[in-house]
Amino acid sequence: QQQVKQSPQSLIVQKGGISIINCAYENTAFDYFPWYQQFPGKGPALLIAIRPDVSEKKEGRFTISFNKSAKQFSLHIMDSQPGDSATYFCAARAGDKIIFGKGTRLHILP
Amino acid sequence: EAQVTQNPRYLITVTGKKLTVTCSQNMNHEYMSWYRQDPGLGLRQIYYSMNVEVTDKGDVPEGYKVSRKEKRNFPLILESPSPNQTSLYFCASSFGAGSSSEQFFGPGTRLTVL
Repeated sequence: QQQVKQSPQSLIVQKGGISIINCAYENTAFDYFPWYQQFPGKGPALLIAIRPDVSEKKEGRFTISFNKSAKQFSLHIMDSQPGDSATYFCAARAGDKIIFGKGTRLHILP
Repeated sequence: EAQVTQNPRYLITVTGKKLTVTCSQNMNHEYMSWYRQDPGLGLRQIYYSMNVEVTDKGDVPEGYKVSRKEKRNFPLILESPSPNQTSLYFCASSFGAGSSSEQFFGPGTRLTVL
């Protein structure tokens, strides 16, 4: 019930395409859903986050879609660029506990 | 510059030799946490601290200890390291444990236990 299931494990997208990463959760106590971006040799950094009272949040080329009834949320990267190549983690937080997905390694082809 | 620092960045040690990985933040954050990152397993929380002298277990606390004697520091202690603790470790901090508190991560410590 504490798990956050993330898919796919790896993703290759052409430059200019749309990258989509999906996550699912079980625990309805989760009330904050951040996405982190990690470049090789660096720590994760917050990319974008959403609360379950909204269905979508957009920041530039990055959009989170949230489906509360299905307990699913996804990250969409529009007009994907080679600089977006990184590992992406979804997460779910309830109070002092935060659970991360296993990560998606994204590679954008130039 | 606001940051989370970890030392050392790289460490190779042998089984059973006690070690400490330090973590320090200069943002006056109350909440600090340690994670390990392993291929295919993502980030797993080891321990976290809500404030000075307040610590609690995460999902994978076995074999680790922490202390929080000062607000800025949160060292991770491996009393008797074993090869299965070979991993990439991250320290993180945030203003609080509330749902909208962004976590700031350190640069990571790559530990190898032979």
